[in-house]
Amino acid sequence: DVQMTQSPSSLSASVGDRVTITCRASQDIGKFLNWYQQRPGKAPRLLIYGASTLEIGVPSRFSGGTSGTNFTLTISNLQPEDVAAYFCQQHLNLPLTFGGGTKVEIK
Amino acid sequence: EVHLLQSGGGLEKPGGSLRLSCAASGFSFSTSAMNWFRQAPGRGLEWVAGFSGGGPTTFYADSVKGRFTISRDNSKNTFYLQMSSLRAEDAAVYYCAKSHFSGWRVFDYWGQGTLVTVSS
Repeated sequence: DVQMTQSPSSLSASVGDRVTITCRASQDIGKFLNWYQQRPGKAPRLLIYGASTLEIGVPSRFSGGTSGTNFTLTISNLQPEDVAAYFCQQHLNLPLTFGGGTKVEIK
Repeated sequence: EVHLLQSGGGLEKPGGSLRLSCAASGFSFSTSAMNWFRQAPGRGLEWVAGFSGGGPTTFYADSVKGRFTISRDNSKNTFYLQMSSLRAEDAAVYYCAKSHFSGWRVFDYWGQGTLVTVSS
């Protein structure tokens, strides 16, 4: 199975800050990487697919990047509504696997 | 507008069975890939099983293979997860999800989730 190691597990930042979340894959997965947002008590929401393509309707302050087996989700200009857990998901191989998640809070 | 409305779930004893339903609307259900996920309390997401498209091809996580079965009724636009031989570790919130246009392993709409508790 492809292991996805996500960091940090939680972070606290101020409104307007730039925050970066990282996922590292245990093997080369190309760009078969998605990012999801999960607000408290809600279902996940697709933010980014193909490592860097923004889903329709997602604010442009979200962006995705990749370098080898390392993937990043960046939120520039953090907003109160961004308080949520964020998960990466690889979809090169089955089983589909997720990172452990990052909880983002506002200071 | 796409909607996925889940039902079923609840409390079941170890070894018991439950069926979850996911009623879909707002898209072409019969040609769409559909999948189930779960999330144990305070934990991350785990893929459970899914159809790779509108056809009969299914895939299962090893943790549920042989115990869980997915099916769909295109006449009712409903997707099912039949769970049997339930274990304590199956307790979780279960989500159904619809696949994105970019591929069956990307998920753009999710149900509201339904809680499954396994306890004697």
